[in-house]
Amino acid sequence: GQNIDQPTEMTATEGAIVQINCTYQTSGFNGLFWYQQHAGEAPTFLSYNVLDGLEEKGRFSSFLSRSKGYSYLLLKELQMKDSASYLCAAMDSNYQLIWGAGTKLIIKP
Amino acid sequence: IAGITQAPTSQILAAGRRMTLRCTQDMRHNAMYWYRQDLGLGLRLIHYSNTAGTTGKGEVPDGYSVSRANTDDFPLTLASAVPSQTSVYFCASSETAGGDNEQFFGPGTRLTVL
Repeated sequence: GQNIDQPTEMTATEGAIVQINCTYQTSGFNGLFWYQQHAGEAPTFLSYNVLDGLEEKGRFSSFLSRSKGYSYLLLKELQMKDSASYLCAAMDSNYQLIWGAGTKLIIKP
Repeated sequence: IAGITQAPTSQILAAGRRMTLRCTQDMRHNAMYWYRQDLGLGLRLIHYSNTAGTTGKGEVPDGYSVSRANTDDFPLTLASAVPSQTSVYFCASSETAGGDNEQFFGPGTRLTVL
């Protein structure tokens, strides 16, 4: 079956660094997406990885290891506005996204 | 219109009633999607359309139908609502299906079926 696993909740301190992990099992693989979703709002795109390695985009970076079925999202210099849920999604062989349940990130001052 | 819009924002519906959730995008995207989001679960794909005139079933299509008569509109219909269809429904679109095409999401419709 197809499955995405990520932690349910994480807590971090303002100004710190946090890493949110995601493991995936899909029928075929066409890339890994990360989205951010603030409470009561729609998801918004953060990053896409299809090749192994690290993609950096400002304070956010995303890593992929295809052989391990593993990705992480790294958030640096945390700000209070980063309090949100972070959704991991893998694209399968039918080009459909399989979504994790999301990681709720709580930022404390 | 800027981006992707959904209507209504929220709705309380009696079980057994028919309901259509509307979705419109002005980005001329070829692909459109309907998801439901329930607490503790990931987004689940209900139906999708890779281009106008075609539709496909996602992971949880039962009890729902869609149509794609043109590029911009992708309505979702619940023929006879049941309480298990209480959820937040998101419509999304992408330039094409697959690859690095990010999906853009509408603001969502919160549906309660009593």
